[in-house]
Amino acid sequence: EPEVTQTPSHQVTQMGQEVILRCVPISNHLYFYWYRQILGQKVEFLVSFYNNEISEKSEIFDDQFSVERPDGSNFTLKIRSTKLEDSAMYFCASSPHSQAKNIQYFGAGTRLSVL
Amino acid sequence: DAKTTQPTSMDCAEGRAANLPCNHSTISGNEYVYWYRQIHSQGPQYIIHGLKNNETNEMASLIITEDRKSSTLILPHATLRDTAVYYCIVSDNAGNNRKLIWGLGTSLAVNP
Repeated sequence: EPEVTQTPSHQVTQMGQEVILRCVPISNHLYFYWYRQILGQKVEFLVSFYNNEISEKSEIFDDQFSVERPDGSNFTLKIRSTKLEDSAMYFCASSPHSQAKNIQYFGAGTRLSVL
Repeated sequence: DAKTTQPTSMDCAEGRAANLPCNHSTISGNEYVYWYRQIHSQGPQYIIHGLKNNETNEMASLIITEDRKSSTLILPHATLRDTAVYYCIVSDNAGNNRKLIWGLGTSLAVNP
């Protein structure tokens, strides 16, 4: 069964460093998303991406964040200068084009630890 | 903010049906009810969704009240592997902005 894969599973970085979280969505899916979950808290929407551009972004997704789909298979989230409060699980998701349903398929996540 | 309210936690005996309620009294006509779950330390997993009719798949059944203001997810024969946080989410299927807004969900503990 096709699945969303995320790498690395755990990323440790120093405050102020740049990190890139990588995702390979399910092929033939057209919608891509990043969510994050701070330990013990709700899953929070960060950004949605469709047709090679951002569809919507949350207040969390400030100028320090960017997304890219560089080669038609990978979907990356970059944090330019990490802060302690960026420590969280980051989930990538993808969904197919469908007017009938908005089913999102999630990866296993990348745990980001900012020291 | 999430448009749904769910009990914080529930218990269920292994092999019995787990009935997880959700209130969504402000749901609009074009919004669907989706259920996802998150097993500890894993990514969320889609379970089932519906608009107004009851739905069943290999994982669960979804019962939506006639006024659509509440729903119940039913796991007919819960197993230990069903221990997870269950999220009820309302979302429309229109346009390109299909973000999911998550609440705190219901933490279901299936006990042996």
